[in-house]
Amino acid sequence: QKEVEQDPGPLSVPEGAIVSLNCTYSNSAFQYFMWYRQYSRKGPELLMYTYSSGNKEDGRFTAQVDKSSKYISLFIRDSQPSDSATYLCAMSAPGNTPLVFGKGTRLSVIA
Amino acid sequence: ETGVTQSPTHLIKTRGQQVTLRCSSQSGHNTVSWYQQALGQGPQFIFQYYREEENGRGNFPPRFSGLQFPNYSSELNVNALELDDSALYLCASSLESGFTGELFFGEGSRLTVL
Repeated sequence: QKEVEQDPGPLSVPEGAIVSLNCTYSNSAFQYFMWYRQYSRKGPELLMYTYSSGNKEDGRFTAQVDKSSKYISLFIRDSQPSDSATYLCAMSAPGNTPLVFGKGTRLSVIA
Repeated sequence: ETGVTQSPTHLIKTRGQQVTLRCSSQSGHNTVSWYQQALGQGPQFIFQYYREEENGRGNFPPRFSGLQFPNYSSELNVNALELDDSALYLCASSLESGFTGELFFGEGSRLTVL
């Protein structure tokens, strides 16, 4: 079993839809959870950062962490064509353990 | 404030050759991490440098080596290139060592090994 599992998609939605992206993980030591967005031919950029469990909201984006289920989600409300990108979940444990990324989910928002 | 810059952006090598990739970190950042991203995969951690010392290494063979310079710029060297080394190589800088802070990525160097 991989440490971090993420459905690669592709996921195609109409403009204005609510998008739900998810990752599961196996390492219960993970405490830091991130979502990165990667546009085509660009490097990833940090979108959301959550420590431990709970929800975090930033504009149209909401990140949720459920440590009991080892499951994290990213919701995008009122999706826009400019949201079309690959979304990577990433997580790490305390101490000097490297960040582990999911495969990424490719999202297309159709106008 | 300049972001993370990488060079070259694209390069083609043949199996057995050696390659050096370069990275300039974001102003004020003393930590650089290198990642390999194969097509359709997430980035895989290669190693991290903090103040010119290696500060962690992923599951990559010794032919992957690196350096960090006093100005915090960095190099990734890969010897004896293999076909599977074809990937996007990403450099990321951060304000502190470790893996719990935000990483600022460059646009990557796309390496093709023929």
